[in-house]
This record gives sequence, C-alpha cells and structure tokens, in this order.
Amino acid sequence: GAVVSQHPSWVICKSGTSVKIECRSLDFQATTMFWYRQFPKQSLMLMATSNEGSKATYEQGVEKDKFLINHASLTLSTLTVTSAHPEDSSFYICSARGSLSGRSSPTNEKLFFGSGTQLSVL
Amino acid sequence: GENVEQHPSTLSVQEGDSAVIKCTYSDSASNYFPWYKQELGKRPQLIIDIRSNVGEKKDQRIAVTLNKTAKHFSLHITETQPEDSAVYFCAASINSGYALNFGKGTSLLVTP
Repeated sequence: GAVVSQHPSWVICKSGTSVKIECRSLDFQATTMFWYRQFPKQSLMLMATSNEGSKATYEQGVEKDKFLINHASLTLSTLTVTSAHPEDSSFYICSARGSLSGRSSPTNEKLFFGSGTQLSVL
Repeated sequence: GENVEQHPSTLSVQEGDSAVIKCTYSDSASNYFPWYKQELGKRPQLIIDIRSNVGEKKDQRIAVTLNKTAKHFSLHITETQPEDSAVYFCAASINSGYALNFGKGTSLLVTP
C-alpha cells in the first residue's frame, strides 16, 4: 500500500524556537497533502491543505505566518511551527492524496496518513 | 461547512458483544464516509469506507450503513475482541481524496 513517512515522530523544544515536520510520500506522487492537528483526547482538526507548487490554503483560525507549509515537490511537504509556545503542543499528522493503482481519479484516490509527530513545547 | 456529529463518546462492551457507533453529517454534498481506528499516539487506520451510492458495506466483523436521506451512517462491529479497543472516528468528505471532516471520536473498550 501507499506509504507516507513523517519525521520526526516526537520532538521537545523550548518556547520561542521553530520546529520543522516533514512528510514524504514514498511510493506515489502526492499533489495534495493535508495537515491535521490533534489535541489530547480530541478529534483531528484540519489545519491546511497544500498543493504542490502553490501556496497552502489555511482553515479559519489557523495562523499562516505561524504554521508555515511548503510543498515544493510531489513527494515532500513540510510544516514549520514558528516561535512555538506551550499551547502549540499537540499531535501533528499529515495525510497525502494518492492512488494505489497509480492512476488517479476521483474515485480511486484515498488519503494516506503519516505516522504523526508529537510536539511538546516547554 | 461540513459538521460531523458522533455518538457515543465512550462505549464499553463485553467481549463477543456487538458495538455500534453512529454519526450524522450536515453537508448533502458529502459522498464519502470512512471510518478510522486510532490507537494512542498512532496514525488513524482506515477500517472501512462507504460511498453515497451504496447503502451498506461489510468486511468480516465490520459493517457500515449509510442513510443519505437522513444524513447518518453507522459502524457495526460484531463479535468484539479486546484488540478492538481503540478510538474510532467517522469522517465525511466530498470524495475519497479530499479533506476529511472528522467526528469527535468514540473510545471503545472491549472487556474480556
């Protein structure tokens, strides 16, 4: 099946520093990647949608200058949490749109999730 | 935008019993309804999904039903086992490759 690799799996950082999270599609090209955030015992909330080669689209309430998303290639998207604060501590997870058959169409594409990154800001 | 409601938030059943989780959605444009199982600190795993042109789908012990008119869909797990214990999320989207709107999750506990 399609594999999405996400790194790091966990990170602890000091308040005010920036953290970069990488999400790679290993065996398929992901023109679109979604970034979600999940606080403890809560649901996954969509933060932004990134399309390769264009600016990300952010959901209401998500600061685009704080959560920088880059999708420079068909296999890599990055999320940078800038000037992180304790309230940014959360589980961040990406998902990539791809097709198991290699032929993309609206009905055979699915979302494949990365393994997630647990961010703890001290 | 789409609003997905999920009930119950917690569910405890004895091993061998059935478990049912229900979800409703608000956007009639939604056509794809997946269910995910998530263990603590892990990625969500797709366990079953259904499209709006189908009313029911089954995969071994797991089944999903969809009532598009009423805008609700349900997950049914039969013959539950302790390893079924996890958090289950329903979701809705326009199609299978689009952004998912998740329900708040159901924490299922199967006791031996």
